[in-house]
This record gives sequence, structure tokens and C-alpha cells, in this order.
Amino acid sequence: DAGITQSPRHKVTETGTPVTLRCHQTENHRYMYWYRQDPGHGLRLIHYSYGVKDTDKGEVSDGYSVSRSKTEDFLLTLESATSSQTSVYFCAITDRDGSTDTQYFGPGTRLTVL
Amino acid sequence: EDQVTQSPEALRLQEGESSSLNCSYTVSGLRGLFWYRQDPGKGPEFLFTLYSAGEEKEKERLKATLTKKESFLHITAPKPEDSATYLCAVQAAGATNKLIFGTGTLLAVQP
Repeated sequence: DAGITQSPRHKVTETGTPVTLRCHQTENHRYMYWYRQDPGHGLRLIHYSYGVKDTDKGEVSDGYSVSRSKTEDFLLTLESATSSQTSVYFCAITDRDGSTDTQYFGPGTRLTVL
Repeated sequence: EDQVTQSPEALRLQEGESSSLNCSYTVSGLRGLFWYRQDPGKGPEFLFTLYSAGEEKEKERLKATLTKKESFLHITAPKPEDSATYLCAVQAAGATNKLIFGTGTLLAVQP
């Protein structure tokens, strides 16, 4: 358990509405990530953060924004939700293990956009 | 382009029937290869990291091995509780903190 919580765990929303997902960690990890998981695609990186107010895009960042104003919280916002953003969203943190950074994942948020 | 391919997509075993899962990868310099287990409705759970060809790691009934082109997850005498989706991911040199995931192998172990 890497001390990661995600909220909400489930959400149903309508097309065009903004949605914010929250990732909270309790162990002061510097790096945090947002992924989405869809059948046939595996886990794909949306955005990541390497410190407070320091973020960068992943491979599927269009339609998403992130913010990190505190070390412990990393927020993912869908500015105007679309049905293609129906997915399971996972937050992860990095914990250094020797020469490689191992990522540990939260429990996920299942988002349905109608 | 960095890529990870896992096979088979699904595997059904009888309890005690040993087998292997495959993870083939193409990456511009491997920094690490990761195996995760994912149960339905949960986040991926870290199992192993492998760094270089020839390396092996074991945990209970699982053993992961690595060559220059692929990794195998060997499952010896599996039990029903080993049923899960097993995910492989690679981290390329120079792509710090970015993982490329395969689509996983769904393993079902029947009693």
C-alpha cells in the first residue's frame, strides 16, 4: 500500500460537464501520475507531476488538465467531458528502488460520461 | 517507437498446471522492465523489476526472467488465487518516469 487514495471512486456525469478527480498521497512522494485504462489499450499516461506546480503532458493529454498546489494532492480535470473519456483512471506515485523508479498505483476511479 | 506486446491475451489453467506468460518489448535502451498483477476493480499491484538480460526474480509461485527482447513470467503450480490480469511495462533510458504498458494477460486458474 503506497498510501494513495483516489476520489471519487465512481462517477457518472453528462457530456459537456467539467469533472475533477483527486489523488491524495500521504508519504511525500515527489512524482505523481495520472493514467487511463481502456480495454485493448493498456494503461496510458495522461499527465504527470515532478513537484508542486511542476507538471508535464503524457501521451493522451488532450482534453485533460492537471494541477498540483500541494505535494500530497494531484488533481485531474476534464474540462468538458466527452463519451470518449469514459474510462478507469489511476493515479500513481514513484518510489525510488535502486537505480529505477517503481510506480505504485491507487485503487482507481471509474468514470462514465453519458 | 517503444512498444510492449503481451501474449497470450488470455490463459486458462488447471490448478497445479505450470505455464508462462510472455512480454515482448521494443525500446530504445531498457532502463527497467516491470511486472504488475491487477485484480478486477483494483489498481495494479507491483510484483517485480528486472534491469538487465539474464536477471531473474522470484516471489512465491512466480518467477520473472529477462532477455534482450522479452520477459517471461513463469507460474509454477498455480492456485485459484493466482487468477488475475498480469501487466508488463518498460521504462526506456532517457524517458525517466514514463512507463509503456502492454495490454496484459488475463489468467484464470480453475480448481
